[in-house]
Amino acid sequence: DGGITQSPKYLFRKEGQNVTLSCEQNLNHDAMYWYRQDPGQGLRLIYYSQIVNDFQKGDIAEGYSVSREKKESFPLTVTSAQKNPTAFYLCASSMGPGHEQYFGPGTRLTVT
Amino acid sequence: AQTVTQSQPEMSVQEAETVTLSCTYDTSESDYYLFWYKQPPSRQMILVIRQEAYKQQNATENRFSVNFQKAAKSFSLKISDSQLGDAAMYFCAYRSPRFIQTGANNLFFGTGTRLTVIP
Repeated sequence: DGGITQSPKYLFRKEGQNVTLSCEQNLNHDAMYWYRQDPGQGLRLIYYSQIVNDFQKGDIAEGYSVSREKKESFPLTVTSAQKNPTAFYLCASSMGPGHEQYFGPGTRLTVT
Repeated sequence: AQTVTQSQPEMSVQEAETVTLSCTYDTSESDYYLFWYKQPPSRQMILVIRQEAYKQQNATENRFSVNFQKAAKSFSLKISDSQLGDAAMYFCAYRSPRFIQTGANNLFFGTGTRLTVIP
């Protein structure tokens, strides 16, 4: 069945290490997004991609990087430059600009 | 930048009763989209309802309806006949139409309202 998968559900890393969060969709959506959610806050956009091999920074891109080599996949790397990486990360996809965004189940990243 | 305000951090409702969650937003744009998302304990975001600003008629989806007051920049969510499964965080979100020019399609989210349903 169609949907968005994010793995793993929980991820633990030591400070100073880069870590990559996976996001895969089989909805044939062109656009994909990464959001960060902190306690007591709504979602904030990190990066988005409208088509393969193209992506744009969102509101809080510093310390993060992405790639979009395949339509189905939009991995997010949290680098050691991200000062407060511990958060809940949500991936979303949509048919394109103007269409509804569908969210994955999220990954909880804890960096100690 | 657009801001979305949810002034009720927590709300509670008796099962089968009706509850209204508030949302206000700030924008200088005339055409935009508004959404209510539900985030249950599983933390997956689920779209509950959407409203296009150019439509005067309030959107409804089964037990969920909105009261959209464009002049007041208010977008409240009413849940009728509340059920235990409605317990969740509810987020109001705004989307600008500027994506047409800029390609940006990000949503601006409020801080959420935690709804508790009392049996």
